[in-house]
Amino acid sequence: KNEVEQSPQNLTAQEGEFITINCSYSVGISALHWLQQHPGGGIVSLFMLSSGKKKHGRLIATINIQEKHSSLHITASHPRDSAVYICAVGGIQGAQKLVFGQGTRLTINP
Amino acid sequence: NAGVMQNPRHLVRRRGQEARLRCSPMKGHSHVYWYRQLPEEGLKFMVYLQKENIIDESGMPKERFSAEFPKEGPSILRIQQVVRGDSAAYFCASSPVTVAQPQHFGDGTRLSIL
Repeated sequence: KNEVEQSPQNLTAQEGEFITINCSYSVGISALHWLQQHPGGGIVSLFMLSSGKKKHGRLIATINIQEKHSSLHITASHPRDSAVYICAVGGIQGAQKLVFGQGTRLTINP
Repeated sequence: NAGVMQNPRHLVRRRGQEARLRCSPMKGHSHVYWYRQLPEEGLKFMVYLQKENIIDESGMPKERFSAEFPKEGPSILRIQQVVRGDSAAYFCASSPVTVAQPQHFGDGTRLSIL
C-alpha cells in the first residue's frame, strides 16, 4: 500500500464545476504539499500545509491532521485548470524527502 | 529572481554513454532535491543534498548513479553507462531550509536513451 493515496485518478468535468481532489496518507508528517504539473511537464508548488486551510484565488486546500487527509478544491473551474495535481508529504520519520501520490489527471471541458 | 534552472531540457544518449544533468537552485536556497518521473509513473525521490554534503540518498539506485552539490556551481546528477530504463524526466527542486518550506521545482530534464 502506498504511503500517499490520491483519488480520483482521473477526473473530467465541465467548465464552471466545483472540483475536489482527495489525498490520504498513512504516517505522521510535518507538511503536505499540493503540486500542479501541466502537459508541458513543469511542476508548480500550489500549497504547503501543516494544519487548517489555505486559499489562493480559486484554489482552496485543507488538511485534517487527525484523519490524515487533505483536499484540494477548485471553484469555478476553467479549461486552463486542466493538469495533473499531485499530493506530496514530507517529514516522515524525520526524513526531509517528499513522498508523492500518483497524481490526479484533471480535464476541464469548455 | 531566477527560479530553479535545470539544463539541458532534453538530453539524448546512447546506451553505455554518460548523462550529466545540472541544477542551479534558487538564489539563497541551500537545499537541493532530485526526483525522477518514469513514463506514466509518479514522482520518486532520489537524493537530498546540501552544499558539499549528501544528506539522504535512499532513493538512488545502488549502481551507476551519483550526485553532488559542490561549494561553487550547480548540483550535478550523473548517470554512468545509461540503459533504456533510465529514460525519464528528472526534476530538481530547492528550498531555503527543509521540507517544512515549499520546494521550488525546475522544469526538468527529459532524458531519452536510444
